[in-house]
Amino acid sequence: SQQGEEDPQALSIQEGENATMNCSYKTSINNLQWYRQNSGRGLVHLILIRSNEREKHSGRLRVTLDTSKKSSSLLITASRAADTASYFCATDPRGNNRLAFGKGNQVVVIP
Amino acid sequence: DTEVTQTPKHLVMGMTNKKSLKCEQHMGHRAMYWYKQKAKKPPELMFVYSYEKLSINESVPSRFSPECPNSSLLNLHLHALQPEDSALYLCASSQRTGFGIQETQYFGPGTRLLVL
Repeated sequence: SQQGEEDPQALSIQEGENATMNCSYKTSINNLQWYRQNSGRGLVHLILIRSNEREKHSGRLRVTLDTSKKSSSLLITASRAADTASYFCATDPRGNNRLAFGKGNQVVVIP
Repeated sequence: DTEVTQTPKHLVMGMTNKKSLKCEQHMGHRAMYWYKQKAKKPPELMFVYSYEKLSINESVPSRFSPECPNSSLLNLHLHALQPEDSALYLCASSQRTGFGIQETQYFGPGTRLLVL
């Protein structure tokens, strides 16, 4: 079953703007990860947030986690054309690295 | 070296062919994964190897046969595939530090497979 669902699924923004995408999941988790996938290529790990963390930063990325609402958000600040990609959240509900990915958000940054 | 390599990048095969996908990592990771990804969909886990042993098979049809010859290599043998098996096949690896510890997975660029 799909653990994560992102909303919205497609986002088109101007370079320099911020992009926010959300993810919701259904079961309890220990951690949640965000990955980026450029068109037709492999996934790149962006950030992992643990269940006891509420917010985490990495460069221009800010991730929040609300375990009471079973949701997470990814914010990309000052977007660049190179940020154009699909972004997936992933959870591991059974704790055995059996990642379940959300539907993904397609982000297009217009130069 | 944080790279996972996959060969070939593209593969076209007929339904009667036998082919293999290869994946290699030199990060000392002891867990390796195969995922299947259809267009505009998230990756779906197929197999997990942990310490060179198959630990998870997500009810994948037997026409897909994984193999882990050593800790650095992972193969996916393909035989009698169907056109609906056309997809991007992604390999990934992680450290495998222990159960219950979610790990970063490092992905290869994938093999784009077309079955005619």
